Amino acid sequence: ILNVEQSPQSLHVQEGDSTNFTCSFPSSNFYALHWYRWETAKSPEALFVMTLNGDEKKKGRISATLNTKEGYSYLYIKGSQPEDSATYLCAFRPSNTGKLIFGQGTTLQVKP
Amino acid sequence: DTGVSQDPRHKITKRGQNVTFRCDPISEHNRLYWYRQTLGQGPEFLTYFQNEAQLEKSRLLSDRFSAERPKGSFSTLEIQRTEQGDSAMYLCASSLWTSGNNEQFFGPGTRLTVL
Repeated sequence: ILNVEQSPQSLHVQEGDSTNFTCSFPSSNFYALHWYRWETAKSPEALFVMTLNGDEKKKGRISATLNTKEGYSYLYIKGSQPEDSATYLCAFRPSNTGKLIFGQGTTLQVKP
Repeated sequence: DTGVSQDPRHKITKRGQNVTFRCDPISEHNRLYWYRQTLGQGPEFLTYFQNEAQLEKSRLLSDRFSAERPKGSFSTLEIQRTEQGDSAMYLCASSLWTSGNNEQFFGPGTRLTVL
């Protein structure tokens, strides 16, 4: 059974706070790690696809790191804004399939 | 809009009825995926196609579920004899399969409520 775990399950922060989430995944049979942002009533939006150990990617105030040897990825949001409020999902893609295995998500609420 | 579209967005049905959902992928994408998401959980893989071939199907998918992609473009997901446990958000995604990262683009989902 391939498990992907995310923590924390939910997070409430004030506008301007920086925050980070963790995704842990199997360290074997690794192909890629995906991060998505999912706002209510919208489609999940792809943030990053990461494949190489040590990868760091950045998109505006959001960045992510990847450690495939120990099986974890961190997502960082610098200076959170109310529009960052969403559920952040990570998904592990094993090397022998096209499917994604998702974590349960981290729900972020940013208060003005 | 050239994103992934799904129809209907919401479906309410009575237990025992059959339902069918449609997904239209991004036009040049050759892979199409179905996932299901229940409250408090992340999306769970159901099945995926490359062109019209169904390449993988989850063991969680009972015989009441069937998916097709007859012409390698849109796909349908049918649930026969619905049960209350089928209530969920059904998500479709598509990707352009190459030797690269295979990023999946999601539609807005169909929310099914079985009464």
